[in-house]
Amino acid sequence: QKEVEQDPGPLSVPEGAIVSLNCTYSNSAFQYFMWYRQYSRKGPELLMYTYSSGNKEDGRFTAQVDKSSKYISLFIRDSQPSDSATYLCAMFTGGGNKLTFGTGTQLKVEL
Amino acid sequence: DTAVSQTPKYLVTQMGNDKSIKCEQNLGHDTMYWYKQDSKKFLKIMFSYNNKELIINETVPNRFSPKSPDKAHLNLHINSLELGDSAVYFCASSLGDRGYVQPQHFGDGTRLSIL
Repeated sequence: QKEVEQDPGPLSVPEGAIVSLNCTYSNSAFQYFMWYRQYSRKGPELLMYTYSSGNKEDGRFTAQVDKSSKYISLFIRDSQPSDSATYLCAMFTGGGNKLTFGTGTQLKVEL
Repeated sequence: DTAVSQTPKYLVTQMGNDKSIKCEQNLGHDTMYWYKQDSKKFLKIMFSYNNKELIINETVPNRFSPKSPDKAHLNLHINSLELGDSAVYFCASSLGDRGYVQPQHFGDGTRLSIL
């Protein structure tokens, strides 16, 4: 079993929908949580990161961390076709910069 | 201006061959990484160098050897290629490797296919 689990999808939603992407993890030492977006044939790019539990908002994106449940989420409001990509969660303990990634969720936002 | 660039973008070769992938970053970062992404999009770290010093060396076959001639370059040499080496290899860099979050910037990958 992988340290970080993520539903691979694909997840297909209509334009304007609210999207919820989730990851669960098993290592309670993880303290920093990140979401990366990866377009087809491109490298991952960092969308957001949070430290410990709580919420963080950036435009249409909200990242949420619940350390007690070992569960993190990314919400996308008013989804656009340009949001169609694979979303990877990543986390690390803080003792260095070794990221552990989820397997990614493929999202398609349709017109 | 490409921040993290990898060459080649595509590499198709026969089993048993030796090949190299090159990576360069112009961000002035101190830390560079090699990741492997399999066909199911799972991204796993292989190596990390900080200022030319190896700091992360995951359980990777000895056939894989990274080399960092300077902090802006990190190359990956693979000997005796096997079918299971087929994947996308990503290079990344970050400002440093300690303490607070150091966002990693990724290149666009090298797609390696073994025939």
